[in-house]
Amino acid sequence: EAQVTQNPRYLITVTGKKLTVTCSQNMNHEYMSWYRQDPGLGLRQIYYSMNVEVTDKGDVPEGYKVSRKEKRNFPLILESPSPNQTSLYFCASSPAVPTLTQYFGPGTRLTVL
Amino acid sequence: AQKITQTQPGMFVQEKEAVTLDCTYDTSDQSYGLFWYKQPSSGEMIFLIYQGSYDEQNATEGRYSLNFQKARKSANLVISASQLGDSAMYFCAMRDRTSGGSYIPTFGRGTSLIVHP
Repeated sequence: EAQVTQNPRYLITVTGKKLTVTCSQNMNHEYMSWYRQDPGLGLRQIYYSMNVEVTDKGDVPEGYKVSRKEKRNFPLILESPSPNQTSLYFCASSPAVPTLTQYFGPGTRLTVL
Repeated sequence: AQKITQTQPGMFVQEKEAVTLDCTYDTSDQSYGLFWYKQPSSGEMIFLIYQGSYDEQNATEGRYSLNFQKARKSANLVISASQLGDSAMYFCAMRDRTSGGSYIPTFGRGTSLIVHP
């Protein structure tokens, strides 16, 4: 089954404790991205990757890191989480052609205390 | 300025009636794509429909159609024969080329649709 998986689905952590949210897709997609969703703000892109070893900032990259060592994986790293990073996070992937649709993961609900 | 504007924070519709969710966009790019996604209360993002900027026909997927008016930069979603399961948040999105040459999607803030029995 073609899908994007994220882990964990739910996470409660404390300020300053490094965490990683994993994302994996099995569709051989070149383009992958991370979004955060906050009430009243819709989805905002954090980082994206056009291909292996190619990453770039989206609209709200501060406080986040990513890596793309393999085509299928695109982990999101919070080196020192803060309460304002409490949000719902989505990973998405799509083929290289930008006008094709993105496939979203199920979401990770993160709470930083 | 917002690239995607959804002016209706909330909409109500009677079951079996049609409903239109508004979306306007702003881009100077000639090649772009417009999307609608549905987000039910369970949280996942579900792709509904896509319209390319060069497509002359309005996109249609089952009960969903996209009313694309390029000159007005409008991409409204029309849901015919609403069902109770259509109650959800709906997001309009666009992918166009940034000044740096990359394609970064932009999402609107969403419209909450409630379907009444």
